[in-house]
Amino acid sequence: GAVVSQHPSWVICKSGTSVKIECRSLDFQATTMFWYRQFPKQSLMLMATSNEGSKATYEQGVEKDKFLINHASLTLSTLTVTSAHPEDSSFYICSAKQGSANTEAFFGQGTRLTVV
Amino acid sequence: KQEVTQIPAALSVPEGENLVLNCSFTDSAIYNLQWFRQDPGKGLTSLLLIQSSQREQTSGRLNASLDKSSGRSTLYIAASQPGDSATYLCAVIPQYNQGGKLIFGQGTELSVKP
Repeated sequence: GAVVSQHPSWVICKSGTSVKIECRSLDFQATTMFWYRQFPKQSLMLMATSNEGSKATYEQGVEKDKFLINHASLTLSTLTVTSAHPEDSSFYICSAKQGSANTEAFFGQGTRLTVV
Repeated sequence: KQEVTQIPAALSVPEGENLVLNCSFTDSAIYNLQWFRQDPGKGLTSLLLIQSSQREQTSGRLNASLDKSSGRSTLYIAASQPGDSATYLCAVIPQYNQGGKLIFGQGTELSVKP
């Protein structure tokens, strides 16, 4: 299957700082990328959907000014957690797909964010 | 609104057993259904993808079936091994969303004892 690389795999930051997470599709052009958040022992919660060159579409309840998503190219999307607080500590996972809605989605290895 | 449910939430079996994981969804209008594996602290690995027009897919010891009309899918694992221990997630892409986002179940945490 296709490869999606997420970086960093883990990060610790201080409250009030911003953290950027990168998601890259290594061997295909990702027309759509998704960002998920996962709490311990829970399933994935979709935060936003982004298409290359367009503004991201955020799910209800997700603060777009806090979770900035950029999808500037067909192989790279970034999630920036701005002014991070301890409650933002979580596991963030990106997913990418090429083409239409019914194509297969491939996932990154996730980023463990800890805000202290 | 599409909802996906997985039963059981957790399952522990001895090595060598055949087992079935269940997934149900409320709206049959889907593009496809995917089964994933997630190891602790890791991302998701895609196991099987079943398009809405298909009934089943097989890969090695894994077989996934789809009954769209009843809103059900099963993942069959033959001759389970300790290395199969992980959380298994199913997800559907609903047709009402043209963006192709996945709606996930809560997962089944599988433990295979040697």
